[in-house]
Amino acid sequence: DIQMTQSPSSLSASVGDRVTITCRASQSISNYLNWYQQEPGKAPKLLIYAASSLQSGVPSRFSGGGSGTDFTLTISSLQPEDFATYYCQQSYSTLYSFGQGTKLEIK
Amino acid sequence: QVQLQESGPGLVKPSETLSLTCTVSGGSISPYYWSWIRQPPGKGLEWIGYIYYSGTSNYNASLKSRVTILLDTSKNQFSLRLTSVTAADTAVYYCARVRPVAGTYYQHYMDVWGKGTTVTVSS
Repeated sequence: DIQMTQSPSSLSASVGDRVTITCRASQSISNYLNWYQQEPGKAPKLLIYAASSLQSGVPSRFSGGGSGTDFTLTISSLQPEDFATYYCQQSYSTLYSFGQGTKLEIK
Repeated sequence: QVQLQESGPGLVKPSETLSLTCTVSGGSISPYYWSWIRQPPGKGLEWIGYIYYSGTSNYNASLKSRVTILLDTSKNQFSLRLTSVTAADTAVYYCARVRPVAGTYYQHYMDVWGKGTTVTVSS
């Protein structure tokens, strides 16, 4: 099984900050990496697919990068609605797996 | 606009079988994959499995002996069956549509999710 590890597990930041979340795969997964945002009490929402492709309707302040084993999700200028938990997910294996999540909190 | 809605009992007794249905509206079951994901209280997301519109399925290795995902194309629904449940199966259960990245066949992402349904395992 492919293990996905996110860092940090939690992060405090302020509105307007630039933040980066990292996701590392236990083996190379090419660019088979997706990012989701989950607000409290809500279903996850797709932000980025194939490591760097922005899902339709997602603000351009979100961007993704990386390939192989190391990936990033960057929010260029935090907005109040961005405080949520973020998950990476690999689809390189037919057995999908998620990272443990990164909780983004207001400083 | 495709929408997904989970339904099923909110309370299941230990050792019994959990059964949930996901109804797909505003679109067709084909030609997509359809997935179940769960989230225990206060924890992260766990992928359970998926089924292709052709009927091919794949399951999380840790749950494989207890899980079945089935498709009912006539009703535009797919379902989850989890046997011999314990308190560890208490979670919010989500269904989601899986689609391939344009121009690929095996590179997937989950683009439409249901709102989730809470299932508690307790006597």
